[in-house]
Parts: sequence; C-alpha cells; structure tokens
Amino acid sequence: DAKTTQPTSMDCAEGRAANLPCNHSTISGNEYVYWYRQIHSQGPQYIIHGLKNNETNEMASLIITEDRKSSTLILPHATLRDTAVYYCIVRPDNTDKLIFGTGTRLQVFP
Amino acid sequence: DTEVTQTPKHLVMGMTNKKSLKCEQHMGHRAMYWYKQKAKKPPELMFVYSYEKLSINESVPSRFSPECPNSSLLNLHLHALQPEDSALYLCASSPGIRTDTQYFGPGTRLTVL
Repeated sequence: DAKTTQPTSMDCAEGRAANLPCNHSTISGNEYVYWYRQIHSQGPQYIIHGLKNNETNEMASLIITEDRKSSTLILPHATLRDTAVYYCIVRPDNTDKLIFGTGTRLQVFP
Repeated sequence: DTEVTQTPKHLVMGMTNKKSLKCEQHMGHRAMYWYKQKAKKPPELMFVYSYEKLSINESVPSRFSPECPNSSLLNLHLHALQPEDSALYLCASSPGIRTDTQYFGPGTRLTVL
C-alpha cells in the first residue's frame, strides 16, 4: 500500500505558485520522498526527490519538514502545461518498487 | 538519447491473439520495469529486470510473459488476454536498482476485445 496521503484535487491560477502537500507520517529513516507527475494519457514524468534536505531543480522545489512526516512540492510559476496528476511516493532505499498512491489532480486555470 | 520508447502506441487484440509490446532505451540503464495502469488508477508494478535478469514478478498471471533480450530492450508477450487486461502498459528504466530514479516511456494503450 502507498504510504502517502495527498489531496484529491487542487486548483492554481496560471503564473502563481502551486504548492502540493503530501503527508507521510510513517516514513522511516532510509526512505526517500519522490515526486512524479502524469499528464493525461502520458507516462509518469520524474520531477524531484529528497531524503532530508530541501531540494530544488529546474522544474520544482521540494520542502521536507524537519520531522520528515510531510513535504510540499512547489511549482514556482504554474503554467497550463503543468495541469496533471502529481504523485508523492515514499520509497525505501532497499527496494526497486515505486508504489504510487492516488495522487493530486492539479488544474491550472488561465 | 535520453528517453524510453515504446511501441506500438495503441494495440487492439482479441482474446485468442498473441501480441508483443516493445520497450527500448539507449541510456545505458541496467534496470527495466513494466507497469500496468487501469483507467483513473495509479500505475502498478508488474515486473522488474535487473542486469537482464527477472528480479521481481508481482504475481502477474502467466498470460503476461516478459523478456529482456539485452540491456536496451524489454518485451512483454501477451497471450489469451481478457477484456479486463485492457489498460495503459508503461515501461520504465533506471541506471541501476534501488534508489535510482526511474524514467518512464509514453506507454502502450491496450484494448482487449
């Protein structure tokens, strides 16, 4: 079973920051937080991942709380093309498996 | 080349047909994966190949038969499928296993009549 809880859906205005929360209260010390997104009928796209520290790349920022029980994915300037289902995944470092939860459907509107 | 390709994009088959799905990557990745995604559901892992050997089979029915002929190619052979097997079949690859990031192909949309 997925070890994360995400809101079912969120809206965001184009040009504004999209902040997508994820709860993973049972996360263990060796488990990473991964974020993927899936635009309609396409394959999932890797966004970012982290263990303890906040991470940033060209797509997004990942903020992980100090107790690691939750995280937030930030898309700094959302565009219409960011409309997708966003999956937060907790992945142990000793497994090949990605267990997807139900994700958050982000709708970016003009 | 930084992508995973899958062919065909769409496939329609009858329950008595035999068909194959193909996945290819030229990134030097040594792990490859098959996932199945039903409509409005998240992807579910089916198989993992590591260094061309099957390392995980998530109790998938034998009518799905994976094959990894070489480190760049992964096939999924289909035989005697059921209509409920209709889904998006996704292939992914990663440099190695465990914590390495998986990169997904666009998927094959399969319809079983």
